[in-house]
Amino acid sequence: DAGVTQSPTHLIKTRGQQVTLRCSPKSGHDTVSWYQQALGQGPQFIFQYYEEEERQRGNFPDRFSGHQFPNYSSELNVNALLLGDSALYLCASSPRGRRNEQYFGPGTRLTVT
Amino acid sequence: EDQVTQSPEALRLQEGESSSLNCSYTVSGLRGLFWYRQDPGKGPEFLFTLYSAGEEKEKERLKATLTKKESFLHITAPKPEDSATYLCAVQAGNYGQNFVFGPGTRLSVLP
Repeated sequence: DAGVTQSPTHLIKTRGQQVTLRCSPKSGHDTVSWYQQALGQGPQFIFQYYEEEERQRGNFPDRFSGHQFPNYSSELNVNALLLGDSALYLCASSPRGRRNEQYFGPGTRLTVT
Repeated sequence: EDQVTQSPEALRLQEGESSSLNCSYTVSGLRGLFWYRQDPGKGPEFLFTLYSAGEEKEKERLKATLTKKESFLHITAPKPEDSATYLCAVQAGNYGQNFVFGPGTRLSVLP
């Protein structure tokens, strides 16, 4: 059984550009949450999706948006990149009816120059 | 506002030297407290969930405990492979969908 997968592994973008990160949840999981983890800090909650809708959002600006597809996979989009957006972006999936169980993917390392 | 703090920020132990990591939290309506292990450049790996004060969970050399204001992760006779960052997170609020993580404790176990 494949775990949570994320792509790409690493990404380098220039300030002002836009980026799309992708996440495929574990089999049987219908909920996807996204987190931003700056170097040396704990993950910060960005938002959570299930039933193809954003259900809860952390303290992140509208430049951060997402989408969930019918197959439960998800995308995180960040517009107008800032240097401060450089971080490890983590996706976590949860099984149906048990959203307190979170299984994390390996993350995408985004560097903004 | 929900808050989670962890101490110490970093801890260096000799192999076999037992110790404890602390997670203190201020939340409204705790629905669960979670411990994760994170290796460099990887995603967090789930260790334990605790739901109520007095609850304890064990796994190999690790034991997690919970009080009304804090949780401890006790590491007994650690080995070098226990070296990692240990993250604490709380799930709180009416809908319980929002996880708040602490900054983590970086543990190094020297042979």
